[in-house]
Amino acid sequence: AQSVTQLGSHVSVSEGALVLLRCNYSSSVPPYLFWYVQYPNQGLQLLLKYTTGATLVKGINGFEAEFKKSETSFHLTKPSAHMSDAAEYFCAVRTNFGNEKLTFGTGTRLTIIP
Amino acid sequence: EAQVTQNPRYLITVTGKKLTVTCSQNMNHEYMSWYRQDPGLGLRQIYYSMNVEVTDKGDVPEGYKVSRKEKRNFPLILESPSPNQTSLYFCASRLTGGQTGYTFGSGTRLTVV
Repeated sequence: AQSVTQLGSHVSVSEGALVLLRCNYSSSVPPYLFWYVQYPNQGLQLLLKYTTGATLVKGINGFEAEFKKSETSFHLTKPSAHMSDAAEYFCAVRTNFGNEKLTFGTGTRLTIIP
Repeated sequence: EAQVTQNPRYLITVTGKKLTVTCSQNMNHEYMSWYRQDPGLGLRQIYYSMNVEVTDKGDVPEGYKVSRKEKRNFPLILESPSPNQTSLYFCASRLTGGQTGYTFGSGTRLTVV
């Protein structure tokens, strides 16, 4: 079985400050890991993904995430927050054993303080 | 434009009245999936399909049906909707290959009274 835990359902940061959104996963086999962003009244958009290879993954809009197997973590970061980053962020895990179960965390709502 | 199209965007219905939410993708994707999103619960997978005529249950399939008769379409059917199925529903599709992420539709907000 696989699962995802996102610490902090709400995170607030000042404009220009570091953004850190936490994600820990549980999987008995090597996982594929994803971060999605959801803007108000919209569907989800893929930010970045980890499959194999380099553990530091760069995504769109200046976001990046680091896969740490020893910590079972895949935290999302951005060096300098922008007002347009205000949204809800979801971490998700899928195993690479051919099943199609993509399991999401409960989400983190990011607020940017001017 | 490459996209996943869901219809309708908003739907209010009464308990027990059968309904279908349509989903269509124009990207020739093999995999398609339905999710529901509820506050505090994130997104939960209802059903998925790995190709035409190949479907399987996700984590919350009770009360839902799907079919995949054509590659591009993956409708979600609620035979007898109940108030606990009031939710925001998303359809998504992706290419085969573990590395690919899903492309999501814009969502269908369903209210069952």
